[in-house]
Amino acid sequence: GQQLNQSPQSMFIQEGEDVSMNCTSSSIFNTWLWYKQDPGEGPVLLIALYKAGELTSNGRLTAQFGITRKDSFLNISASIPSDVGIYFCAGQLVGNEKLTFGTGTRLTIIP
Amino acid sequence: GAVVSQHPSWVICKSGTSVKIECRSLDFQATTMFWYRQFPKQSLMLMATSNEGSKATYEQGVEKDKFLINHASLTLSTLTVTSAHPEDSSFYICSARDGTLWETQYFGPGTRLLVL
Repeated sequence: GQQLNQSPQSMFIQEGEDVSMNCTSSSIFNTWLWYKQDPGEGPVLLIALYKAGELTSNGRLTAQFGITRKDSFLNISASIPSDVGIYFCAGQLVGNEKLTFGTGTRLTIIP
Repeated sequence: GAVVSQHPSWVICKSGTSVKIECRSLDFQATTMFWYRQFPKQSLMLMATSNEGSKATYEQGVEKDKFLINHASLTLSTLTVTSAHPEDSSFYICSARDGTLWETQYFGPGTRLLVL
């Protein structure tokens, strides 16, 4: 099936640094979602975006729905150890309940 | 609210046996449940969509006779991996959609299957 491309594939940062990652698609989506997955767990929804150009925050997390509707960005400010995990974007079309997941960005915090 | 549970959390079985995984929505009614498979260091791949009281819709390449899905109630869906083989070893995750919010899926904690 189709997958969304996420970059970077992995990130190694120091605690306190800001993080930026993005997700791109060859086709448009009407809804963009960002999830975090801890090892051995299911994904947890972080932010949902419903309109092109929308910028939404959830604490230290900020995500944007790209104008072209083919991309989305997630930023994490002042990273902390519990931010470690894999971040997945997911796209959804109106009238289609299926989610298409991105390839994931693995975040590691260097002590 | 919106909690989804899975049972068991992990299972080890011999090749050729069948394994049943349960997915329950604990505090809401799930009109639709989804089953995903995730191989190590890979993304989630949708296997099938299950609506209560009707047959599941399988994604292309997923064998419906091998992965039996039953969604008998608004709070329970089961995935049975029949005649499991080592290549079926994976992390199986379900999600459930609250009928009032079209776009929101709540994910279970996953079930790790190891077939020897």
